[in-house]
Amino acid sequence: GENVEQHPSTLSVQEGDSAVIKCTYSDSASNYFPWYKQELGKRPQLIIDIRSNVGEKKDQRIAVTLNKTAKHFSLHITETQPEDSAVYFCAASLGSARQLTFGSGTQLTVLP
Amino acid sequence: DVKVTQSSRYLVKRTGEKVFLECVQDMDHENMFWYRQDPGLGLRLIYFSYDVKMKEKGDIPEGYSVSREKKERFSLILESASTNQTSMYLCASSPGQGVHGYTFGSGTRLTVV
Repeated sequence: GENVEQHPSTLSVQEGDSAVIKCTYSDSASNYFPWYKQELGKRPQLIIDIRSNVGEKKDQRIAVTLNKTAKHFSLHITETQPEDSAVYFCAASLGSARQLTFGSGTQLTVLP
Repeated sequence: DVKVTQSSRYLVKRTGEKVFLECVQDMDHENMFWYRQDPGLGLRLIYFSYDVKMKEKGDIPEGYSVSREKKERFSLILESASTNQTSMYLCASSPGQGVHGYTFGSGTRLTVV
């Protein structure tokens, strides 16, 4: 089955700096890569996703890049704000499967 | 505005009890999923369903079963609760026959004593 590894497990940045979270996946047939944000005590929410036919996608201050050759994808957050503090999860789907395999999560702390 | 509802936010059960966790979605989604969330382990898939009466094992199905009698409802059953099943349980749903992002419920924190 699919295996998704996520790094780092914790990340602290100063407000206004950029944050980057990286994930690698094991199966070259993976074709959908979403990112979720989970604030303390709340449900995970989809913040951005990318499919395997696209190399990069942006939405305001967040972007996701995909390198299919290296089998890794990354979340980039620019101009970080305290409200970006949360746990972020990457995920990947395998082929035609509808279920997602998740990474272990990154606790992002934005220091004011 | 809540679209995926889990019946309990917190539950405390005794070892050996049969436990039912209920999940209901109002978005007419075909696909429903149960995950457990543990610190450092992320979200691990227990069971999923693509259709009524259909169920498939995920990565960690041992000690669990599921039921999907109606499209909108997906129940997770702990046949005989054990302390190692203490966890946060998250239900999710997604639309259609392809892969799409999930909508999650708010979770049930289960403690087995």
